[in-house]
Amino acid sequence: QVQLVQSGAEVKKPGASVKVSCKASGYTFSDYYIQWVRQAPGQGLEWMGWINPNSGGINYAQKFQGRVTMTRDTSISTAYVELSGLKSDDTAVYYCARTLVVVKYHGMDVWGQGTTVTVSS
Amino acid sequence: SYELTQSPALSVSPGQTAIITCSGHKLGDKNAYWYQQKPGQSPVMVIYEDMKRPSGIPERFSGSNSGNTATLTISGTQGMDEADYYCQAWDSNTVVFGGGTKLTV
Repeated sequence: QVQLVQSGAEVKKPGASVKVSCKASGYTFSDYYIQWVRQAPGQGLEWMGWINPNSGGINYAQKFQGRVTMTRDTSISTAYVELSGLKSDDTAVYYCARTLVVVKYHGMDVWGQGTTVTVSS
Repeated sequence: SYELTQSPALSVSPGQTAIITCSGHKLGDKNAYWYQQKPGQSPVMVIYEDMKRPSGIPERFSGSNSGNTATLTISGTQGMDEADYYCQAWDSNTVVFGGGTKLTV
């Protein structure tokens, strides 16, 4: 079945970096963009950006530019998001989700299980 | 930047119709998507391209989008529908989410 499986929870100190992975299975990895969305405790969904696994093209939300890096390894059907300069308000659940982009942009039809990132001294 | 606005909360009794709205400038010119999120779970798409239901989503979920407002309607609301609901649209090549509506049944 189609699924996105994310790496496990992380605890980081302020100023550090974190890298979360998202492994795709059950479909052709390069056919769908991978989006990254985070959710702080008790808050709504916040879009971080996307990566096109086929070309490596990326688009980051303005808020995260300069601090986020999205990459992929097509040989293992895995996407990554790395966030640097962590602050306490980066504490959140980080989700990956896939989006079909054919003619136009579509919605996020499959989501990963989420990765909890806690930033604490 | 483009913004989507949702009412924070809605309460309905079981069996009633829940209407959740999402407002944005000329939102009807874009496609609207809706996601349901229950506590401790990942979001699930319940409506795509304004009014289409993904496989496995009950028929009581429906959507519309016109003018500046997209609407998610849940007919015959059940206790299992209690969740947060988020609308989403694309602005150029950027994703925009609404702030979410907490539905209490």
